[in-house]
Amino acid sequence: AQSVTQLDSQVPVFEEAPVELRCNYSSSVSVYLFWYVQYPNQGLQLLLKYLSGSTLVKGINGFEAEFNKSQTSFHLRKPSVHISDTAEYFCAVRIIQGAQKLVFGQGTRLTINP
Amino acid sequence: EAGVAQSPRYKIIEKRQSVAFWCNPISGHATLYWYQQILGQGPKLLIQFQNNGVVDDSQLPKDRFSAERLKGVDSTLKIQPAKLEDSAVYLCASSLGLKDEQFFGPGTRLTVL
Repeated sequence: AQSVTQLDSQVPVFEEAPVELRCNYSSSVSVYLFWYVQYPNQGLQLLLKYLSGSTLVKGINGFEAEFNKSQTSFHLRKPSVHISDTAEYFCAVRIIQGAQKLVFGQGTRLTINP
Repeated sequence: EAGVAQSPRYKIIEKRQSVAFWCNPISGHATLYWYQQILGQGPKLLIQFQNNGVVDDSQLPKDRFSAERLKGVDSTLKIQPAKLEDSAVYLCASSLGLKDEQFFGPGTRLTVL
């Protein structure tokens, strides 16, 4: 079975400060890794994804994430956050077989304070 | 390009009533998904269609939930009868195929009283 754990349910940071949102996963089969963002009253939007190749992936809005196979982690980072980054962030894995099912973590609420 | 459309956006019903949600995927997308997102949790896949066939419905509570995708385009998700624990946001997503990026609709927020 696959599972995704987001270690922080809420992360408050000040504007222009750096931020890291942590994600660990567990899977008995190969997976792809994703981060999604959900703004209030909206659906999910893909931030970035890791399929293969370089373990450091860059996404939209200045976010990046690093895949660490030995630690089974895929942490999301941004060097300087803006008020507009306030949202819920979800880490997810996609099972690379069969129905290619997406399994999500519980989410991390990022709050940016001025 | 138009995104995934869902209606209604909000619905309030009493327990034991029935309710239906509608989803119109992005044109040309063969794969359609319904997710349930309970407050404070990540989305959970309920059912996945490839054209009008079911690929995965292992987490769909089949005693009360049903879904169909007639003609391989629009889809409806029905709950009958609703329970208090069904209060959640129901997200529809679509993708070109099984291995492609999923695009999400805005969701339907269901409150069961």
